[in-house]
Amino acid sequence: EIVMTQSPATLSVSPGERATLSCRASESVVRNLAWYQQKPGLAPRLLIHGASTRATGVPARFSGSGSGTEFTLTISSLQSEDFAVYYCQQYKNWPPTYTFGQGTKLEIK
Amino acid sequence: QAQLVESGGGVVQPGTSLELSCVDSRLTFRRNSMHWVRQAPGKGPEWVGVVTNDGRNKYYGDSVGGRFFISRDTSRNTLYLQINSLRLEDTAVYYCVPGDPGDAFHTWGQGTLVTVSS
Repeated sequence: EIVMTQSPATLSVSPGERATLSCRASESVVRNLAWYQQKPGLAPRLLIHGASTRATGVPARFSGSGSGTEFTLTISSLQSEDFAVYYCQQYKNWPPTYTFGQGTKLEIK
Repeated sequence: QAQLVESGGGVVQPGTSLELSCVDSRLTFRRNSMHWVRQAPGKGPEWVGVVTNDGRNKYYGDSVGGRFFISRDTSRNTLYLQINSLRLEDTAVYYCVPGDPGDAFHTWGQGTLVTVSS
């Protein structure tokens, strides 16, 4: 099983500042990497797929980068609605053994 | 209007069985593989399993063992998850999610909560 490790567990950032979240895979997932945002009581929302492609309707302040085993989600200028939990997910294999990271909580500083 | 609506959750006792349903109102249900993903309270999502678009192939996550069974009824645009011998650790929100090979999860249902408690 491919293990996804996110860091940090919690990130405190002020509105208007940049946030950088990291995700590491235990083996290469090429670019089969997605980022999700989740707010309390709601389902996860897809932000980024293919490591760097924004999903439909996602603001341009969200960007993804990386390949292989190291990935980054950057939020360029934090808005109040961006404070949430963020998960990375690999979807490399078929038959699938999709795995998620444990999450990074982005909180207001 | 919600495109994916899960149902069947509730409070159940350990050792019992439960069947969850997901009605998909999208026009592409018959073309997509369909997944179940669960999320325990305070934890990250966990992939449960998938059934291919033709219903012939089913794959499951290592953690669910042989207790989970996924099926689909294309005539009803409905996905099912049968869970047998429920355990306390099966307590979670269960989501149905369309997803083809090599693609992320673009659309999620609202989820249905299963609470296993004696």
